[in-house]
This record gives sequence, structure tokens and C-alpha cells, in this order.
Amino acid sequence: QSVLTQPPSVSGAPGQRVTISCTGSSSNIGAGYDVHWYQQLPGTAPKLLIYGNSNRPSGVPDRFSGSKSGTSASLAITGLQAEDEADYYCQSYDSSLSGFWVFGGGTKLTVL
Amino acid sequence: EVQLVESGGGLIQPGGSLRLSCAASGFTVSSNYMSWVRQAPGKGLEWVSVIYSGGSTYYADSVKGRFTISRDNSKNTLYLQMNSLRAEDTAVYYCARGGRITGTSDFFDYWGQGTLVTVSS
Repeated sequence: QSVLTQPPSVSGAPGQRVTISCTGSSSNIGAGYDVHWYQQLPGTAPKLLIYGNSNRPSGVPDRFSGSKSGTSASLAITGLQAEDEADYYCQSYDSSLSGFWVFGGGTKLTVL
Repeated sequence: EVQLVESGGGLIQPGGSLRLSCAASGFTVSSNYMSWVRQAPGKGLEWVSVIYSGGSTYYADSVKGRFTISRDNSKNTLYLQMNSLRAEDTAVYYCARGGRITGTSDFFDYWGQGTLVTVSS
């Protein structure tokens, strides 16, 4: 059971827009900690996609965007492409006793 | 260019020990906080341990007392000593470099390719 909650799967056709939600609580996202997103292509290591809620590292296309509000965050992908098919994970920091870095359970994006 | 290369994984019997290594290049391990993150087969990501630049270390409850994180500054290498291994420790273990933009924004900006640890008899 992950501390952050994500939908197990989302899907969309090429060119469409999809969003992935990430819900936390008052000890992590709601406590003011930022949300970060990682993309994990099949058989590879996770890669930082969004940091600090909405910032893109160099090289990440602007089709990817992030936002945060209250105890939740969202990742949006516009102009969906076949190569976007991957697992996406949100991550934050938790101030509870069993805290530190916490992840969502991951969302599998399927490009139809 | 920042690179992280893990090694040391393999098949180990329950109760056994294993030491993972993560050789870093392109930056200094002791200047950043460094973590181990694991991923059980078909499952999500789980933070395991961190070592800060000052040397402080912390662990997830699931490995506390069994795993030890350390680094060798002269070799620019991160380690994870894993003792009393259990079947539930089976996972790909990634080392990751810590990034921070404010005191409430800690993330991992570079990851290694991972090394598989299988605990089975």
C-alpha cells in the first residue's frame, strides 16, 4: 500500500491529452512538500520528469507539465506519442515517523 | 556527465548477506545526499536508505537494523550492506543522487541502471 495514491492505469490515443493524479495527505503533499514525477520506460531505470511540482529538467519536452493543489498533484501529457508509453510515479517527502521519501504506486500509460 | 553504475547483486539464500556498490562519476558523492531505492518484481518504487553529505544515515522501517548505507569518498562510491536477507527483499536496487531546490523539495535527479537481488533458497 503506497503512501501516495495513483490510478493503476490510464490510456489515450496519439495526439490526445491525458492526466495522472497523485493524492497524498497532511503529512506529505498537504504539509507543503513538493511533488516530483518520474518516467520509467519498460526495462529501464526511472528518469526524473518533473521536479518541484512543475519544473522540467533539461531535455524533457514541454508536452509534460505538473501541478499541485492542496493534498494532490497532477501530471499532464499533451500531444501523446507512442514513446510516452511507460510507468509514471509521483514522489514527495513525508514528515511522519515512517516517512522520508514516499512514492505513488505508479500509473501505467498505454498509448492506444 | 553524471553516471551511476551499480554492481553486487545476485542470488542469495534467506538469512545471507550481500554488499551492493554504486560507482559514481561526473560529480562527488560526498557533496550530495545519496539514496538506495528498490523495486520488487512488477511492483512500484520503495525508498530504502539515505546518506547525507554530513554523514547522517536513515533507513526505511522495512530494512532498519539489517541494512547499512555507507560511502568511500576516495573511490567516489556508495554502498549498501544487506544482512539477514529475506524473500521480501527481492528487488532491483537503484542508487540515486539527491536533488533539492528548497527545504521542502527533495527528489532524485540521477539514477543508476539497477542491480537485481534475488533472495531464495
